[in-house]
Amino acid sequence: AQKVTQAQTEISVVEKEDVTLDCVYETRDTTYYLFWYKQPPSGELVFLIRRNSFDEQNEISGRYSWNFQKSTSSFNFTITASQVVDSAVYFCALSEASGNEKLTFGTGTRLTIIP
Amino acid sequence: NAGVTQTPKFRVLKTGQSMTLLCAQDMNHEYMYWYRQDPGMGLRLIHYSVGEGTTAKGEVPDGYNVSRLKKQNFLLGLESAAPSQTSVYFCASRSTWDQPQHFGDGTRLSIL
Repeated sequence: AQKVTQAQTEISVVEKEDVTLDCVYETRDTTYYLFWYKQPPSGELVFLIRRNSFDEQNEISGRYSWNFQKSTSSFNFTITASQVVDSAVYFCALSEASGNEKLTFGTGTRLTIIP
Repeated sequence: NAGVTQTPKFRVLKTGQSMTLLCAQDMNHEYMYWYRQDPGMGLRLIHYSVGEGTTAKGEVPDGYNVSRLKKQNFLLGLESAAPSQTSVYFCASRSTWDQPQHFGDGTRLSIL
């Protein structure tokens, strides 16, 4: 069965520090997609990135970068030079080809950026 | 660009009352979902639908019913509200399994 683990429940860093949010997943499928979502204090859920299981290239978008490693079943998210606006709960999620109706979410990591 | 719209945004109920939460999407998505979010629990799937006229149970379906009579709408019903159903409810939709879900802004429901 599919599972997503975000072991870091809460993280606090001082502004401008780099921070990495961990995501480890379990799946028996060879075809799947991984996602990251952001939930700021205002409460809405914002889609950040999608990555398929056949593409292990790292991705960078401004201060955000994602490291996908199939060998360790991880899809980690790094914020460089953190800012107060990055304070949010971040969710990692998995969607499998075989269980294709559902999206399995991790329990989230609450990130607090201290000014 | 409405996307996914949830109504109402807030509601307070008394134990035993019933109500329906409405989710509407204008993206012609096949898949629709209802989640609840409680502190420290992440998002838990209540019910979902893979197309008009179809529904299926998620991981926490007890006490809830759903209907998808029209492709664009997904209704979540509480027949007899209980304090344990106090939560924030999110609706989401997506076109296919490999696409991200688009979420509504949530409904904050309190059962007294």
